[in-house]
Amino acid sequence: AQKVTQAQTEISVVEKEDVTLDCVYETRDTTYYLFWYKQPPSGELVFLIRRNSFDEQNEISGRYSWNFQKSTSSFNFTITASQVVDSAVYFCALSEANQGAQKLVFGQGTRLTINP
Amino acid sequence: DAGVIQSPRHEVTEMGQEVTLRCKPISGHDYLFWYRQTMMRGLELLIYFNNNVPIDDSGMPEDRFSAKMPNASFSTLKIQPSEPRDSAVYFCASRGGLTEAFFGQGTRLTVV
Repeated sequence: AQKVTQAQTEISVVEKEDVTLDCVYETRDTTYYLFWYKQPPSGELVFLIRRNSFDEQNEISGRYSWNFQKSTSSFNFTITASQVVDSAVYFCALSEANQGAQKLVFGQGTRLTINP
Repeated sequence: DAGVIQSPRHEVTEMGQEVTLRCKPISGHDYLFWYRQTMMRGLELLIYFNNNVPIDDSGMPEDRFSAKMPNASFSTLKIQPSEPRDSAVYFCASRGGLTEAFFGQGTRLTVV
């Protein structure tokens, strides 16, 4: 069965610090997709990134970067030089190809607070 | 495109009343999902449709919950009768093929 674990329930850092959000997943499928979503205080879910299981290249987008390691079943998310606007709940999610890649299973989320 | 549109944004109702949540997916998307978010259970998939046909409703908690998609641009999630434990934020999401899912802003339901 698919499962996503975000062990960090809450993280609080001071602005400009770097912060890494951990995500560990479980799946028996060889083809799967990993996602990160951001939920700001306004409540909507904003897509950040999608990765498929065959692409282990790390990704960088501005201050955001993602580290995908199949050997440890992890898909960690790092924010460099954090800003107050980064404060949100961040969700990691997984979908398996053998289920049509449709069911998104979410982790419990990490609440990130960036203090000025 | 305006994105996934949900209505109402907030709903407060009394226990026992019928509640209908509405969703307009992104035009051209062939998958539509209903999720529920609570503090205790996080984000749970309730049901999803492909080309207006329900594919998997195993996440629907009880017979009090029902969902329909009469056409490609509209879906409803109905709770009848509602109970206080149904209080949650309900999200609708849509996707086209194997792209990522785009979520609406959610409906915050409070059953008193």
